[in-house]
Amino acid sequence: AQSVSQHNHHVILSEAASLELGCNYSYGGTVNLFWYVQYPGQHLQLLLKYFSGDPLVKGIKGFEAEFIKSKFSFNLRKPSVQWSDTAEYFCAVNTYNAGNNRKLIWGLGTSLAVNP
Amino acid sequence: DVKVTQSSRYLVKRTGEKVFLECVQDMDHENMFWYRQDPGLGLRLIYFSYDVKMKEKGDIPEGYSVSREKKERFSLILESASTNQTSMYLCASSPRGGTEAFFGQGTRLTVV
Repeated sequence: AQSVSQHNHHVILSEAASLELGCNYSYGGTVNLFWYVQYPGQHLQLLLKYFSGDPLVKGIKGFEAEFIKSKFSFNLRKPSVQWSDTAEYFCAVNTYNAGNNRKLIWGLGTSLAVNP
Repeated sequence: DVKVTQSSRYLVKRTGEKVFLECVQDMDHENMFWYRQDPGLGLRLIYFSYDVKMKEKGDIPEGYSVSREKKERFSLILESASTNQTSMYLCASSPRGGTEAFFGQGTRLTVV
């Protein structure tokens, strides 16, 4: 069965520290990959996505992610976190269907707390 | 600005009540989804719909049903609410190609 695994459930960092959140998926076919973020009290929103092309994807607020096909990974990175990055981060995979990509497979999420 | 609107942010219902959660999107999306979000369990798909009057079960459909009579509206129904259905419910929509899902603010349902 298709699945998404996020390595860290809770991460605590100080401001200016570097961030890397791991995400691995299990599916052998073509995939679309996403990172979503949920700030406290807000709705889930897209951080970045990968469909094809350059495997290094840049998103909003200085985040980036690298798709490594051989490792089935799509890790999220940020060189220097801010207190405002405190949020829950979700990795998701959408398996490609020529007719209709119907649903996403979600990781369990990583809760990031950044101390000022 | 794209929008998915859920009818209530907070709801408190009694055990055994029939509960309706409403979701409306203004993006003309074909796909709509209902998830529940619980701490440590991530997002779990309850039902989804890829067209009007079409529905498919997700991973945890038991105790729920859905209705999609119009393209923009997707309703989640708890036939007889139970305390284990206390949760945050998220509605989402996406275009047919599934390029990105857009989420509503969520409804925090408490069943007492």
